[in-house]
Amino acid sequence: QKEVEQDPGPLSVPEGAIVSLNCTYSNSAFQYFMWYRQYSRKGPELLMYTYSSGNKEDGRFTAQVDKSSKYISLFIRDSQPSDSATYLCATYGSNYQLIWGAGTKLIIKP
Amino acid sequence: ETGVTQSPTHLIKTRGQQVTLRCSSQSGHNTVSWYQQALGQGPQFIFQYYREEENGRGNFPPRFSGLQFPNYSSELNVNALELDDSALYLCASSLEGRQPQHFGDGTRLSIL
Repeated sequence: QKEVEQDPGPLSVPEGAIVSLNCTYSNSAFQYFMWYRQYSRKGPELLMYTYSSGNKEDGRFTAQVDKSSKYISLFIRDSQPSDSATYLCATYGSNYQLIWGAGTKLIIKP
Repeated sequence: ETGVTQSPTHLIKTRGQQVTLRCSSQSGHNTVSWYQQALGQGPQFIFQYYREEENGRGNFPPRFSGLQFPNYSSELNVNALELDDSALYLCASSLEGRQPQHFGDGTRLSIL
């Protein structure tokens, strides 16, 4: 079992829809959670950084952590074609390394 | 504020050769991490450097080695290149601890 699981998609939604992206993790000791966006041929870009449980909002993006179910989510409101990218969840393991999901490819149709 | 920059952007090598990839960290950051990302997968941690010392290592063989310099820039060296080393190599910088990591656009390494 991988430490962080993420559905690779692709996930295709119409412009303006609310997008829900999800990851599960196996180790209850994980405390820090991140969402990155990666465009083709580019490096990952940090979108959200959260600690422990709860919600965090930044513009059209909301990150949610549910430690009881080991489930993390990223919601995108009013999705735009420019949001089309691969979205990766990550958490800090031991050795200060980031442990990643496989990434979900998101396609926003105009 | 200057972000993370990596060079070169693309490199083609043959099996058995050696390669050096370079990374300049974001201004003010003292920690550099290196990752390998195969196509369609999440990045895999190679190692991390904090103030010129290796601070953690993933499941990569010793032919993957690194350096961090006093200005916090870093190099990744790979010896005896294998076909499976073909990937995007990403560098990230951060402050110490479990602070957010910020990435460059990577070096795409192709092994023929």
